[in-house]
Amino acid sequence: DTGVSQDPRHKITKRGQNVTFRCDPISEHNRLYWYRQTLGQGPEFLTYFQNEAQLEKSRLLSDRFSAERPKGSFSTLEIQRTEQGDSAMYLCATLENSYNEQFFGPGTRLTVL
Amino acid sequence: TQLLEQSPQFLSIQEGENLTVYCNSSSVFSSLQWYRQEPGEGPVLLVTVVTGGEVKKLKRLTFQFGDARKDSSLHITAAQPGDTGLYLCAGKSTTSGTYKYIFGTGTRLKVLA
Repeated sequence: DTGVSQDPRHKITKRGQNVTFRCDPISEHNRLYWYRQTLGQGPEFLTYFQNEAQLEKSRLLSDRFSAERPKGSFSTLEIQRTEQGDSAMYLCATLENSYNEQFFGPGTRLTVL
Repeated sequence: TQLLEQSPQFLSIQEGENLTVYCNSSSVFSSLQWYRQEPGEGPVLLVTVVTGGEVKKLKRLTFQFGDARKDSSLHITAAQPGDTGLYLCAGKSTTSGTYKYIFGTGTRLKVLA
């Protein structure tokens, strides 16, 4: 257990539905990351926050994706009008500042039917 | 765009054999990390290397950062079935003010008893 939790662990939805995932980070880590990972591949950067500010967003991220971290604590990732190509593992990670070490949550596996 | 290519993509070896995994880029990274990921879980950090030419050892695992900070290798001595997993390298961007990490394509290792 890294101290980073994600909810839900699994989500099955129909194409066109909206889904929202939650990440609860290690409390003293002020940087939080979202990644997407497909089977057998490395995680693909989506976005990251420093406290409540979203500092960078991948150019690959369509307008259907939005992320928030309203109080600089937990974060949510919403996907609107889901498509089958959105099926993947969505990972959250927080950054320990002294050694720049990322601690990952267990991920949310999304399946879009 | 900074990319990290890992080789080999897949590796299946017998217990007791040695192996080396490579992580290569044409870009310079300020630091590089190696992770191991097991199915259904998030990646777990193994090591961070920061200085060009740096070598770190973690029991039977030896990590090296290239002199130019563009590549890295992971060597496992006397592999054991418990070493089975997806090995990922991740480089921290050198762009000033960013804390973005780029992950490699992954190496899936299977160690047979």
